Amino acid sequence: QAVLTQPSSLSASPGASASLTCTLRSDINVITFHIYWFQQRPGSPPQYLLKYNSDSDKELGSGVPSRFSGSKDASANAGILLISGLQSDDEADYYCMIWRNSAWVFGGGTKLTVL
Amino acid sequence: EVQLVESGGNLVQPGGSLRLSCAASGFSVSNNFMSWVRQAPGKALDWVSVIYGGGGTDYADAVKDRFTISRDISKNTVFLQMNNLGAEDTAVYYCVRAMSDWGQGTLVTVSS
Repeated sequence: QAVLTQPSSLSASPGASASLTCTLRSDINVITFHIYWFQQRPGSPPQYLLKYNSDSDKELGSGVPSRFSGSKDASANAGILLISGLQSDDEADYYCMIWRNSAWVFGGGTKLTVL
Repeated sequence: EVQLVESGGNLVQPGGSLRLSCAASGFSVSNNFMSWVRQAPGKALDWVSVIYGGGGTDYADAVKDRFTISRDISKNTVFLQMNNLGAEDTAVYYCVRAMSDWGQGTLVTVSS
């Protein structure tokens, strides 16, 4: 089982909100990790969006709009990226990541379609 | 302004070697941890290696004993020496400062 599992795709309408999940393997507790999120538009390198551990320990990347936010769902053992007020250029691949055992571990990515 | 410029990607035969470079500007590589992350065509991001500000290093299991990360502080450049390359190493290799700044990437293709 993968360390981080993301749904392969998600669709949402312009102006709506999208909630992207990153589920940790059951033997790894989401409470103990900072969850990092990256956006990758087609043909471009990834861009750092934000880091979330708790509401008092979070960071939005430089220049990233406040429409992007993070949270955790402890009951689902998952990190969440919430994008509000969806725009057409939010259409991209989104990757979550944790730092574990001196290694970065990425999820498989979610392709977000805005239509 | 932070800039990361990768170079050295090329077509190489299986079993061959390649050295990637990442020229940094706008900050000092000695004060940041620098990583290499790769992405095979159409696939997810895959972390390769990191060199910390203090000079320590870590590697993904898939590249341990084949890849070596290093830096030249005087040139403000980070390197990735890749040996015994296989088809599974074919990817765009990105240089990353901390978690937040990414280069444009350099393509490594391993094929006969």
